[in-house]
Amino acid sequence: SQELEQSPQSLIVQEGKNLTINCTSSKTLYGLYWYKQKYGEGLIFLMMLQKGGEEKSHEKITAKLDEKKQQSSLHITASQPSHAGIYLCGAAQFYGQNFVFGPGTRLSVLP
Amino acid sequence: EPEVTQTPSHQVTQMGQEVILRCVPISNHLYFYWYRQILGQKVEFLVSFYNNEISEKSEIFDDQFSVERPDGSNFTLKIRSTKLEDSAMYFCASRGRRETQYFGPGTRLLVL
Repeated sequence: SQELEQSPQSLIVQEGKNLTINCTSSKTLYGLYWYKQKYGEGLIFLMMLQKGGEEKSHEKITAKLDEKKQQSSLHITASQPSHAGIYLCGAAQFYGQNFVFGPGTRLSVLP
Repeated sequence: EPEVTQTPSHQVTQMGQEVILRCVPISNHLYFYWYRQILGQKVEFLVSFYNNEISEKSEIFDDQFSVERPDGSNFTLKIRSTKLEDSAMYFCASRGRRETQYFGPGTRLLVL
């Protein structure tokens, strides 16, 4: 079965620093999704990547999907305390399949 | 912007009681899902539903669980006899024919 790994497991950065979170699958993905979650709360959709080599940006967050569609990175530029939370990647291996989620990366941003 | 809604936001129940978690998917969506997240753990797939029947279910979704679309708008998850380990956040999701899944805000269930 498909599994997603995320690294690092947790990250503490100083406000203003850049950071990268990675999500890796052992199998080619149909679509890769990034969500943000405050501990114990709902999932906030950030971005979806579907094409190999695709890159999307929203405000200070950029997500990329590699050519093989097995690895994605989420990059935050000039981090702020509002970026703190748990970042989850979710993916489906083929169209219409239910999602598998990674374990999450817990981000803390120190003011 | 259309969104998936879930009620209640929080529910506390006694072990052995039945609970029904409700979801209102986005109106023109056809595929519906339930996921579960035990606090501090991964979000896990429970069940998918299409054309008034279950299309896929995970090992977690045993005989204690059932899903229903009782009318044109609601999608429910029933747990017949709750156990302590059913305490979790339950997320509903829906999607159209060629769209991503949209998630609801979740229902936090606490079984005492």
